[in-house]
Parts: sequence; C-alpha cells; structure tokens
Amino acid sequence: GAVVSQHPSWVICKSGTSVKIECRSLDFQATTMFWYRQFPKQSLMLMATSNEGSKATYEQGVEKDKFLINHASLTLSTLTVTSAHPEDSSFYICSANDRGEGSYEQYFGPGTRLTVT
Amino acid sequence: QKEVEQNSGPLSVPEGAIASLNCTYSDRGSQSFFWYRQYSGKSPELIMSIYSNGDKEDGRFTAQLNKASQYVSLLIRDSQPSDSATYLCAVNGGGKLIFGQGTELSVKP
Repeated sequence: GAVVSQHPSWVICKSGTSVKIECRSLDFQATTMFWYRQFPKQSLMLMATSNEGSKATYEQGVEKDKFLINHASLTLSTLTVTSAHPEDSSFYICSANDRGEGSYEQYFGPGTRLTVT
Repeated sequence: QKEVEQNSGPLSVPEGAIASLNCTYSDRGSQSFFWYRQYSGKSPELIMSIYSNGDKEDGRFTAQLNKASQYVSLLIRDSQPSDSATYLCAVNGGGKLIFGQGTELSVKP
C-alpha cells in the first residue's frame, strides 16, 4: 500500500514555456500532498503544502504565481511551473499523507526531473 | 526556526558491520520521527517511523528515540553494499516534515 505516482518522470522544455507535473496517490486518499524540490547534493526543500479543495500553502521564498498547485481531488495534485527558466531545472518530488491513518508519514512519488533549456 | 541536524558523512562501514546514523532536533514538542533512505537519483523511501521513547526494530533496522535528549538514531545491522545511500532524518513539525541534510552511508564489500 501507500503508493504515489508522478508523471512525467522526466521532461525537457524550452525557456519561457510551462510544464505540468501530476502526482497521484494510487491506493489511498491523500488529504494532504506536499511538493518538494531537490538540487544535486542538497536535501529536500519543501515548496508547498496542499489540502484537497483548498489553496496551497507556500513556503517562504517560493513564488506562488510561478509554481501553481492544484489539489482537485483526494488522489490528484498538480504542480505547474509557469514561464520556466534554466534555474528552475531541478528534481521535483511530491509526497502524500493519509491523515486517515492518524499519522504524519509521507509517501513519496518517484520524482520528476525537469530540464529547462 | 525548527532544525534537524545530521552528520553529512560520508560514513563508511565494512560489509556485515553495524552502521549507526544519528540525528538531533530542536523542537522539544515534536512527537513523530522518521527515517528515509534515498538512493542517488531517486526519491526518498520511508524505512522507519518512531513515536515513543525507546527502540523499534524492523528486520535489520532499529530506530532509537530519546525525547529528553532530543535525539533519534538508526542502526543498520549486517550492513550490505545495497544499503549504500543517503539516510534522511525527518521530524514532524506542524503537519510538515522537517528534514535533516542527510547522512551518506557507504558500505564497502
């Protein structure tokens, strides 16, 4: 159980375009989903927390107009990187939590590697 | 600022030995603690969670928690080369996980 998928696993896009990344919880309902970014040799950086049906809560320093998050259902959250630039190239990872279990365990998707040229 | 501290390593142990990974945290009110394993180029994988003081064992892994000392550790017995990875300590803070920088473990055959 507790499987989280992400799509696509990797994407290359041109500077100025937008990219959408999907995160799905496959076998549980995710009341809360999280989006992280990880640069090489660095730890995870939380970008935002999203709860189903409500606006995402962004961490300090993360541009909410650039990184659009939608959590439309209990099994799907999307992250759209708008007007991508080379400095947005990174490993984007989502995670999901099933609060119904009464715990704060987060299960991670496999990640999406974004390269902006 | 809530913090989670880990030695970055690398920690090198011979195959078959016990690897000991340590983590300290600053928020005395934290109640949930997690260890994740991350292979190079992959996403983190949950390997242990611990909520109460003492030891919790799962196969070759043992998590130890001491809330009074604000300290959590992970022991890996009979270390294998396949255990070579970065181990992330995470502490729940207000519904979010606060991660340490990770300890890189290398198990030498």
